Amino acid sequence: GAVVSQHPSWVICKSGTSVKIECRSLDFQATTMFWYRQFPKQSLMLMATSNEGSKATYEQGVEKDKFLINHASLTLSTLTVTSAHPEDSSFYICSASRRNRAFSPLHFGNGTRLTVT
Amino acid sequence: QKEVEQDPGPLSVPEGAIVSLNCTYSNSAFQYFMWYRQYSRKGPELLMYTYSSGNKEDGRFTAQVDKSSKYISLFIRDSQPSDSATYLCAMSEGTSYDKVIFGPGTSLSVIP
Repeated sequence: GAVVSQHPSWVICKSGTSVKIECRSLDFQATTMFWYRQFPKQSLMLMATSNEGSKATYEQGVEKDKFLINHASLTLSTLTVTSAHPEDSSFYICSASRRNRAFSPLHFGNGTRLTVT
Repeated sequence: QKEVEQDPGPLSVPEGAIVSLNCTYSNSAFQYFMWYRQYSRKGPELLMYTYSSGNKEDGRFTAQVDKSSKYISLFIRDSQPSDSATYLCAMSEGTSYDKVIFGPGTSLSVIP
């Protein structure tokens, strides 16, 4: 069964508004969660690494003031797209790996399709 | 040169065929190799992962890693229409905190 839950699965919003996406690890603690963006027929682009209790680490070219990440607990990370614009329309996917393991592969949520009108 | 390369396809095969999916990479520090399957409008689903060189089998799926050639493969035996999806290879240097680098994905269609 799913080990990472992402909500909502799709959202439509008006330009200029903000949208919050939640990512939960269901049966394990995740010190680190990752947020990806995916354009049609393209691979996953890492946006940021979300660390529980500390600031997120953003990849080059990703605006941290636009894509706010909060990792308030070991099972929940949120991504808020602020002042959304049509070019922010995309498929956003979160992932998590189990805590305190030397290596554990990433498990992904089912993604959130954001459409900004 | 991209860090991970993968033929995007699309690859179309008849039902029952053996499918071979491949990736090459440039970073010799990669030690963990993963294969994900992604259906349209869904998140990637982990199929299997391997450490270092060698083979790993899970049902109809076999993963192979050749670190000397920096080349990994996923074989699907007795392919089914339900295997139609995009297959992403992914690699990591070590711990779960390391970045995972993904290939662009290969689109596979299995025709009944």
